[in-house]
Amino acid sequence: KAGVTQTPRYLIKTRGQQVTLSCSPISGHRSVSWYQQTPGQGLQFLFEYFSETQRNKGNFPGRFSGRQFSNSRSEMNVSTLELGDSALYLCASSLAEYTDTQYFGPGTRLTVL
Amino acid sequence: GENVEQHPSTLSVQEGDSAVIKCTYSDSASNYFPWYKQELGKRPQLIIDIRSNVGEKKDQRIAVTLNKTAKHFSLHITETQPEDSAVYFCAAMYSGGGADGLTFGKGTHLIIQP
Repeated sequence: KAGVTQTPRYLIKTRGQQVTLSCSPISGHRSVSWYQQTPGQGLQFLFEYFSETQRNKGNFPGRFSGRQFSNSRSEMNVSTLELGDSALYLCASSLAEYTDTQYFGPGTRLTVL
Repeated sequence: GENVEQHPSTLSVQEGDSAVIKCTYSDSASNYFPWYKQELGKRPQLIIDIRSNVGEKKDQRIAVTLNKTAKHFSLHITETQPEDSAVYFCAAMYSGGGADGLTFGKGTHLIIQP
């Protein structure tokens, strides 16, 4: 089975712009979670989607949003980018709702200038 | 919410020796505890996990122990090899309704000295 894939792998944006990141889970997996990884804050939970519905949301501002499609692919969007949004954005897929085992994608490295 | 503390932040061991990384968690409702290994520039890889109904789990050179009463869990790597050098993250979560995702420790940079 192919693993979790994320596109694009690298992205450079300027402050105030918006960005959309994409994640394709492992075939057959229906749950997608998103995490932000920075040197200072480590790995932090953004949100989780299952069956096209956001199940949980971490402690991030409303500029961070996401969605999931019927094929389980997910996108996350960050609007009005700030310098502090520079990070590695990781998505993780799991088999079903409330399934704990999560497998990570390679991440999208976002740099905000 | 959950809070996970991880120690040490850096661990240097001689090749062939054992390495132990410790984590504590705050939410007694957490029932799933995975460990991830992340090499430089790569994705976190799940190396072992344990659920709260088990006290210990082993997979070849890697083992994890869980003490629910004290709310701490540990990763043990025996006979360390150069390829074990990486950053290791522990995490905790409650699975089964209302899960808030994985809460991670800050990571341990494991260095294997030849």
